[in-house]
This record gives sequence, C-alpha cells and structure tokens, in this order.
Amino acid sequence: AQTVTQSQPEMSVQEAETVTLSCTYDTSESDYYLFWYKQPPSRQMILVIRQEAYKQQNATENRFSVNFQKAAKSFSLKISDSQLGDAAMYFCAYRDFGNEKLTFGTGTRLTIIP
Amino acid sequence: AAGVIQSPRHLIKEKRETATLKCYPIPRHDTVYWYQQGPGQDPQFLISFYEKMQSDKGSIPDRFSAQQFSDYHSELNMSSLELGDSALYFCASSRPSGADTQYFGPGTRLTVL
Repeated sequence: AQTVTQSQPEMSVQEAETVTLSCTYDTSESDYYLFWYKQPPSRQMILVIRQEAYKQQNATENRFSVNFQKAAKSFSLKISDSQLGDAAMYFCAYRDFGNEKLTFGTGTRLTIIP
Repeated sequence: AAGVIQSPRHLIKEKRETATLKCYPIPRHDTVYWYQQGPGQDPQFLISFYEKMQSDKGSIPDRFSAQQFSDYHSELNMSSLELGDSALYFCASSRPSGADTQYFGPGTRLTVL
C-alpha cells in the first residue's frame, strides 16, 4: 500500500520569507500524481498544487512551487514571500494513475509570524 | 466558479441514530468521493462513484452506505451512529479522467452525542 510521510508536524516562518515543507512517499507504481492541499482554520480543503510523476518539470503556481525528486520519492513544497493568509495545515497527497482514492500524509501546521 | 456543495454543514445526532449527508458535485463532474477526517487526523478515503456506479471503496464501515443519483449528486447514509463517527465528512468531485484533480466541498461536521 502507498504511504505518505510528512515528518514536520509544525513549521513557522516570518512573513515575506520562504519556507519549505517536506513530503516523502512510498510506491511501486511508475505513474501517479502528487498534490499539496491546504486546510485553513475554516477546515476547507484547498488544492495548492499538483504534479504528474511523468513530468520532469517541477510544478509552479504563483508563490508555490514543488521540488519533485522521483528517484528519491520526495515531493517538497516551497512557499515564497509567505503571507499571513498562508497559515494553515498543509497535506501532501498521493494518487495512483487510474486509482480513485487520495492517500494523505499526516499534515504540517504552518504558522506565519508577522 | 461553482464549487462542491455539501449539506448540512453541521449535524448533531445521538448514538444509534441515523444520518444522511448530501453532496452536489461541480457541474460536469461525474465522479464523487467521500472522505472522513477525525479530530487532528488526515482525511481517510471512504468510497467513490463514477457514473452512478461505485468505483472504489476504502475503510467504510458496514453501517455506512452511499449512492450516486442520476443528477450526479451523492448521499452518504450512516446508521447506528457511534461516538467515534464524530468527524468532518468531505465530499470531493472530479471530471471523468483517471488523472483529474479532486476538488473538495466545505465538509459536514457530524457530532454524535
């Protein structure tokens, strides 16, 4: 079974600085998808960014980018120019190609220090 | 843009009662997923439907059942509720592709007393 590990239960960063959240996963599949979801205090699950395993280029969405290392099974999220609104729980998630379910990590709670 | 709609947003039930949660997917999304998120935990996959047929099943208790209707909305029926069923229940939807992204609704917070 696929597993997703987020080894940082909590992280904090000064406003306007850069922070990187770590995620590793275990799979025997070659085709899969990786996601970062954000869950603010409202508890809404909001998609931040997604990466297809067959793509070598790292995904980028405005201030959010990933460092995808397929051989190392690592998928970290970098947040640049951190803003107060970035404060949330961040979940890394994995999905097999053709499989329905998302498998989540345990999350990293990000605090932004003004 | 239209999002996934879930109702009710909050629900309080007594032990051994029954609850029904509803989910209305994003227009033109025909795949629906249900997840359960306990306090302080990550979301756990329960079940999914594609074109009104069950497409995948996770750790869903036998006391729970779900279906997808002709208009693609879905309902999660929970019977003989237990204290441990208290959680946030998310519905997510996606377009008909094995590669597509799941978009989550706001969740239904179920409290069992």
